[in-house]
Amino acid sequence: GQSLEQPSEVTAVEGAIVQINCTYQTSGFYGLSWYQQHDGGAPTFLSYNALDGLEETGRFSSFLSRSDSYGYLLLQELQMKDSASYFCAVPQYNNNDMRFGAGTRLTVKP
Amino acid sequence: EAQVTQNPRYLITVTGKKLTVTCSQNMNHEYMSWYRQDPGLGLRQIYYSMNVEVTDKGDVPEGYKVSRKEKRNFPLILESPSPNQTSLYFCASSLSNRVVEQFFGPGTRLTVL
Repeated sequence: GQSLEQPSEVTAVEGAIVQINCTYQTSGFYGLSWYQQHDGGAPTFLSYNALDGLEETGRFSSFLSRSDSYGYLLLQELQMKDSASYFCAVPQYNNNDMRFGAGTRLTVKP
Repeated sequence: EAQVTQNPRYLITVTGKKLTVTCSQNMNHEYMSWYRQDPGLGLRQIYYSMNVEVTDKGDVPEGYKVSRKEKRNFPLILESPSPNQTSLYFCASSLSNRVVEQFFGPGTRLTVL
């Protein structure tokens, strides 16, 4: 079957670094996306990895290893506003649909 | 302002009463999609549309209908809502299905009694 697994909750303190992992099992894999969703808000796009390696965008980085069917989102210099849910997702071009993980709720404490 | 809009934002209805949730985007996107979000299950795709008059089922299409008569609009129709369709619904769009950045609407919280 097709699935994405990510931890349900992660807690960290302000200023720290946190890594949110995502393992996937899909057919027709093309890349891994990450979305952020604050409570009461809509998901917003953070990053996409089509190739192996690390992509950096400011305090956020995303990593992909296709051979391991694994990726992660790295958040550095955590701020209180980073408290949100984070979803990994895979676009499936064969079927033209998008599959999301169940989400990781990140809580940043002072 | 580039955006995806949904209406209504909140809706409480009763079992069996047909309803429509509208979705509109002003970015000339080809690809549009509907998701439902339930606790612990993340976002699950209901239907998607590659372009005008082209729609297809996602993971959880049962009990829903869609149409895409115009590029900007993609309404979600519940012909006979049931309590298990109580959920938070999001409409999303992207330039095409090969663009991974999807833009989401603000969400519609639906309660079916």
